[in-house]
Amino acid sequence: GENVEQHPSTLSVQEGDSAVIKCTYSDSASNYFPWYKQELGKGPQLIIDIRSNVGEKKDQRIAVTLNKTAKHFSLHITETQPEDSAVYFCAARRADSSYKLIFGSGTRLLVRP
Amino acid sequence: GAVVSQHPSWVICKSGTSVKIECRSLDFQATTMFWYRQFPKQSLMLMATSNEGSKATYEQGVEKDKFLINHASLTLSTLTVTSAHPEDSSFYICSARDPTQAGGTGELFFGEGSRLTVL
Repeated sequence: GENVEQHPSTLSVQEGDSAVIKCTYSDSASNYFPWYKQELGKGPQLIIDIRSNVGEKKDQRIAVTLNKTAKHFSLHITETQPEDSAVYFCAARRADSSYKLIFGSGTRLLVRP
Repeated sequence: GAVVSQHPSWVICKSGTSVKIECRSLDFQATTMFWYRQFPKQSLMLMATSNEGSKATYEQGVEKDKFLINHASLTLSTLTVTSAHPEDSSFYICSARDPTQAGGTGELFFGEGSRLTVL
């Protein structure tokens, strides 16, 4: 089955700097890759996603890149702000009817004011 | 985006009792819902897939007799933890697929989670 690895497990950046989180997946049949932000005691919130027919997607300060050949995708947050501090999860989903998401292990991002 | 509501948000129960957690899609019909379990500082682990009107599909290693899932309507799925024990204490999160979004492939929306503590 699918396996998603995520790095780093923790990331501390200065406010205004960029943050990059990387994930790799094992199942070449996966075609949908969302990123979620989870704040303490809350459920995950979708912040951006990308499909396998696209190499890059950007939404204001957040961007995601996908390398299908290498089977890895990355989240880029520019001009980080303290409110970006949270746990971020990547996930992958197969192109079948199950719609199951397999999550990475998470990255705890701390943005220092 | 669409709203998924979980209830209760937190619950404390005695060992040996059963606890029911509800997951509702408030503004869309969800033919498929998913239940996840999350231990502190860990990732979300898929427990089961709940399809309206049929039996849930459980992931390997998840006891279906302990974690009863019912998806009786297009807007409600319930997870019942039977004969709960302290090791069942966890954060349980549901998600629901809105088949009308994301070009028909369905975008997943997550509930706020339910924290279960078994004494």
